[in-house]
Amino acid sequence: VHLQESGPGLVKPSQTLSLTCSVSGGSIGDGGRYWNWIRQHPGKGLESIGYIYHSGTTYYNPSLKSRAHISVDTSKNQFSLKLSSVNIADTAMYFCARAWGTPGGVYDSWGQGIFVTVSS
Amino acid sequence: DIQMTQSPSSLSASVGDRVTITCQASQDIRIFLNWYQQKPGKAPKLLIYDASTLEIGVPSRFTGSGSGTDFSFTISSLQPEDIGTYYCQQYDNLPRTFGQGTKVEVK
Repeated sequence: VHLQESGPGLVKPSQTLSLTCSVSGGSIGDGGRYWNWIRQHPGKGLESIGYIYHSGTTYYNPSLKSRAHISVDTSKNQFSLKLSSVNIADTAMYFCARAWGTPGGVYDSWGQGIFVTVSS
Repeated sequence: DIQMTQSPSSLSASVGDRVTITCQASQDIRIFLNWYQQKPGKAPKLLIYDASTLEIGVPSRFTGSGSGTDFSFTISSLQPEDIGTYYCQQYDNLPRTFGQGTKVEVK
């Protein structure tokens, strides 16, 4: 399976960051697979943002303070991230990833990542 | 959140050396521990899941062990292509959390 992130690389403070992950070589509707967003601040470690299952079930990391929203479009085989009220601390590389496990804890396929800068 | 603490934060070793990284969880995570390799500018790659199971296609020089709170990851014979940063990650609890990473360099 191949995952590819897309979206703007520059977002202004207080605006909403919007990214899409296109999935090919596999179906988002595959059972037992969870579709994730993970980010990495420059020179830092990895932080899980959340996931969505094809049914629409979602989970968000509480650290994002309810700013994150993940949606899925099974007809396009895509899922998306919206992160509202961004600030400079949201500048990071954003990865989409597929996961399996209970639920979705083993990230076995990743997109190449997209770097998003928050700046005015 | 479960805190994952890796040691060391970086290491330099010679080709052929045995390299070991440790990862400690702040609470019992049973065997729900994965290891990833990240090369500069690339996405992480899954190497080991469930503490000791090698992902398909990953060379057998990579091994993992442990359960509960203490885990280790070993490269039995370091190769030049093994340079990168290695991360542990737990999936016993939400949110999933990663260690801070161990940067591996070849002398």
